[in-house]
Amino acid sequence: DGGITQSPKYLFRKEGQNVTLSCEQNLNHDAMYWYRQDPGQGLRLIYYSQIVNDFQKGDIAEGYSVSREKKESFPLTVTSAQKNPTAFYLCASSPGLGNTEAFFGQGTRLTVV
Amino acid sequence: GNSVTQMEGPVTLSEEAFLTINCTYTATGYPSLFWYVQYPGEGLQLLLKATKADDKGSNKGFEATYRKETTSFHLEKGSVQVSDSAVYFCALILTGGGNKLTFGTGTQLKVEL
Repeated sequence: DGGITQSPKYLFRKEGQNVTLSCEQNLNHDAMYWYRQDPGQGLRLIYYSQIVNDFQKGDIAEGYSVSREKKESFPLTVTSAQKNPTAFYLCASSPGLGNTEAFFGQGTRLTVV
Repeated sequence: GNSVTQMEGPVTLSEEAFLTINCTYTATGYPSLFWYVQYPGEGLQLLLKATKADDKGSNKGFEATYRKETTSFHLEKGSVQVSDSAVYFCALILTGGGNKLTFGTGTQLKVEL
């Protein structure tokens, strides 16, 4: 079955540590996205990539980094510079052309302890 | 810039009641409009979409009509069920805007017996 896989589902991190969230898709989509979800604030765009080896900052990129070395994969690193990293992180992909919808993974809940 | 405004939640209804969740948008152009649904602890699933003015999207008894004159895309269902309890997000995408989805803040729906 085609889809987007995020792992792990739950992640705990000590303050000051970097952590990488995985996102893999087998939909052959060109575009991939990372969103952060906090209670009562909806979804905010962190980074997005429209093609391999290229990505752009979204609205809240500070303290995060990404790479897009393969079409299928778009990992997100939450660095120690992110001041409030505890949140639900959602990865999405879309064909990348036209006004088409995005498909979402199941999310990773990151908790800083 | 583009934005989406949704009615505040939570919305609490009795089973079989009529549902309306209001959504209005601002966009510099002609976006496609979407409703996504999020069940507890999960990612977002596309519920319905409309790509041009006067289009009606429908799925699982939910409907929404793209109203260009009022820049609205209100979600309706004639008879809600307990299983409809979830958070509903209105969103838009605009070609030329990097194919980035812009989301509203979400509206939580609780349906009680």
